[in-house]
Amino acid sequence: NAGVTQNPKFQVLKTGQSMTLQCAQDMNHNSMYWYRQDPGMGLRLIYYSASEGTTDKGEVPNGYNVSRLNKREFSLRLESAAPSQTSVYFCASSPGQRDYGYTFGSGTRLTVV
Amino acid sequence: SQQGEEDPQALSIQEGENATMNCSYKTSINNLQWYRQNSGRGLVHLILIRSNEREKHSGRLRVTLDTSKKSSSLLITASRAADTASYFCALGETSGSRLTFGEGTQLTVNP
Repeated sequence: NAGVTQNPKFQVLKTGQSMTLQCAQDMNHNSMYWYRQDPGMGLRLIYYSASEGTTDKGEVPNGYNVSRLNKREFSLRLESAAPSQTSVYFCASSPGQRDYGYTFGSGTRLTVV
Repeated sequence: SQQGEEDPQALSIQEGENATMNCSYKTSINNLQWYRQNSGRGLVHLILIRSNEREKHSGRLRVTLDTSKKSSSLLITASRAADTASYFCALGETSGSRLTFGEGTQLTVNP
């Protein structure tokens, strides 16, 4: 049982380049989330998808787009990467009801130079 | 959105001692959750306490919630070197399933 799988694990981009971070879960969860983690700032929600076919902005959505491709997959796209987007990105999923914990992926460490 | 504030930011103890971490918040919540993150890894869900609960146990973990003081504590008893990690509180919103995470407490357990 893989849980939540993220790819790639590491990525270096040049300013202005674009890339897509992939996330897939195999737990039949309804809800999926993208967070970024920066030193001293905890995790901040970028976008989330409460259910297949819906996406909503979180706390820090600027510079990102998302696609809920199907129930399993939720991708995060950086259209024109900036150094301020250097961070560790985590995807998570949950059943979607309240009172359930999240299952996290192992993260993508992104550096924008 | 609100964020939990964790205290202390860092904690260093000896193996076998107890570790206590605190989380305070400002508005209403549906539940409060605690997660562990080992260095370079993703977060792992430890325990969830609902807003109508006061205390919960899971193995060596004990969580308390005081909604009147808007605070929670996580107690790890008889700590082990393997407990060395960052611990985060997460606030469950009253509508929907979103979580807002605190900045974490870095726990070091010395052998």
